[in-house]
Amino acid sequence: EVQLVESGGNLVQPGRSLRLSCAASGFTFDNYAMHWVRQAPGKGLEWVSGISWNSESIGYADSVKDRFTISRDNAKNSLYLQMNSLRPEDTALYYCAKGGSSWYVHFDFWGQGTLVTVTS
Amino acid sequence: EIVLTQSPGTLSLSPGERATLSCRASQSVRGSYLAWYQHVPGQAPRLLIYGASSRATGIPDRFSGSGSGTHFTLTISRLEPEDFAVYYCQQYGSSPLTFGGGTKVEIK
Repeated sequence: EVQLVESGGNLVQPGRSLRLSCAASGFTFDNYAMHWVRQAPGKGLEWVSGISWNSESIGYADSVKDRFTISRDNAKNSLYLQMNSLRPEDTALYYCAKGGSSWYVHFDFWGQGTLVTVTS
Repeated sequence: EIVLTQSPGTLSLSPGERATLSCRASQSVRGSYLAWYQHVPGQAPRLLIYGASSRATGIPDRFSGSGSGTHFTLTISRLEPEDFAVYYCQQYGSSPLTFGGGTKVEIK
């Protein structure tokens, strides 16, 4: 059974940093691209970032480019999102999602999310 | 960036009725790389349809997807109580990947 468990969400002040993690199990992690998607309160889904299976292809939404860094550790079956210079508008539930063997593939499994709140 | 516009914003229907949801793209979606997801608040989003018309594993056949280019449709033939949720379309044919704003299907 595929499982994606996010962690690391917290309440943080503007300008500070936070690192999210996603622990994956139930599939061969290093065969698949992985993504982060967020949902701000009362809003829809927004793709944040994605990383290919071998970390050679990485993409970011314009709203987080140059502030967030995605990475993965295939030996640990884990995905990460380093979030720097956080802003109130980054407040959201952050989901980890499993992609496909190539970059342009739908997301077939999602985690339950971890909550990030940015406020002074 | 491809902008996806979903309509209507809210659909008020009764169980057993047919639901038709629309997703329009600001430019053609490459390869019909268009997916539909169901999201119940408090739960993980669930993949329903990929490649515009292929049902994901375990998805009932009352869910169907159609369309190509810039216009896509999700149809739920007969609404069951568990189908009342928010539905999002997503294009994954070009970067950045984008989602539509969602359609809420609520009980009338």
